Amino acid sequence: EAQVTQNPRYLITVTGKKLTVTCSQNMNHEYMSWYRQDPGLGLRQIYYSMNVEVTDKGDVPEGYKVSRKEKRNFPLILESPSPNQTSLYFCASKPGTSGNYEQYFGPGTRLTVT
Amino acid sequence: GENVEQHPSTLSVQEGDSAVIKCTYSDSASNYFPWYKQELGKGPQLIIDIRSNVGEKKDQRIAVTLNKTAKHFSLHITETQPEDSAVYFCAASIPPTGNQFYFGTGTSLTVIP
Repeated sequence: EAQVTQNPRYLITVTGKKLTVTCSQNMNHEYMSWYRQDPGLGLRQIYYSMNVEVTDKGDVPEGYKVSRKEKRNFPLILESPSPNQTSLYFCASKPGTSGNYEQYFGPGTRLTVT
Repeated sequence: GENVEQHPSTLSVQEGDSAVIKCTYSDSASNYFPWYKQELGKGPQLIIDIRSNVGEKKDQRIAVTLNKTAKHFSLHITETQPEDSAVYFCAASIPPTGNQFYFGTGTSLTVIP
């Protein structure tokens, strides 16, 4: 089944403890992206990647890191999480950077930082 | 960057009635406008999109209209059904199209049987 998977789905952590949220897609998509969703703010783009080793900042990149070493994986790294990063995070992918723009979203990761 | 505003934030309609959700954008360079539906506990799913060279697009009960001059676009759902109940997000993408996306704040639609 074609899908975007995220792990973990739920995570509670403490301020300053480094964490990684994994994202994997099995559709051979070139483009992947991370978003955070907060009440009243909609979805905001954190980082995106147009291909392996190519990443760019979205609208709200502060406090986050990403890497794209393999086409299928795009982990989101919070090196020193803070309570204001408590949010619902979504990974998405799409075939390429031109033409077909439909993004496929993962199921989400709910992160709580205390 | 781009700023997308979405209204209303909540909308309740009777089953069978129409629902309209409106979005405005600020950057005249934006040229791709998707609409997503998010059901409870799931990720957003694309339901319809429109590009700036088209004024209207329809897919069965849903349609999107775009007014580039006024910088606004709208989602129209006709003959609403209870399964249309969800949160709907509009978005805009600026060139290079399809890399960066700016989302509205969402509309929670409830269809009352």
